[in-house]
Amino acid sequence: EVLLTQSPGTLALSPGDRATLSCRASQTLTSRYLAWFQQRPGQSPRLLVFGASTRATGIPDRFSGSGSGTDFTLTINRLEPEDFAVYFCHHYGDSPGIFGQGTRVEVK
Amino acid sequence: DVQLVESGGGLVRPGGSLRLSCATSGFIFSSYTMNWVRLTPGKGLEWVATISASTNYISYADSVRGRFTISRDNAKSSLYLQMSSLRADDTALYYCARDGPGGPTPSYYDHWGQGVLVTVSS
Repeated sequence: EVLLTQSPGTLALSPGDRATLSCRASQTLTSRYLAWFQQRPGQSPRLLVFGASTRATGIPDRFSGSGSGTDFTLTINRLEPEDFAVYFCHHYGDSPGIFGQGTRVEVK
Repeated sequence: DVQLVESGGGLVRPGGSLRLSCATSGFIFSSYTMNWVRLTPGKGLEWVATISASTNYISYADSVRGRFTISRDNAKSSLYLQMSSLRADDTALYYCARDGPGGPTPSYYDHWGQGVLVTVSS
């Protein structure tokens, strides 16, 4: 079973900064079935990226996903106040689907 | 707009049962695979169960197999999770989530409900 490790656990940044979030798989993902979600306090998860790099409908272009193999990255350019939240990665396509433990992006 | 609204959560004693419901609107429910996913402070997000549009594919996490049953009523655009033999480690916020269109099985989740809290405690 694949394990996903997200780093860092917490990222303290200022509005306008760039955030770089990592999701590392314990084995090579031969397909690019990797999604990223955002979860704000008290809200349900919101899909940002699927297929490692395809932005979901309505997601601003300051969010971008990249990577393949075992290393995947979510980059958020020019952090907006509403971007301070928890971000999860998710490997799908194999059963069971696996989630990373999350990265919290907080205000510095 | 796509909407998923869970209900049926609450406090239940260990060994008890509970039935969660997810009422949906804004899309053709009978065309989509649906899922239950739960969130706990200790384990984070954990996939629980999946049911395909026509119910010919049903899958469960090892942790709930034999105790939970996922089902759907396409006429009512609703998803269900019957939970029995509940344990303390089933305590979680339970989300229903829709499969993204055109993806593999299992797929990514493109819409989530707001979640319903299940607490298992004596």
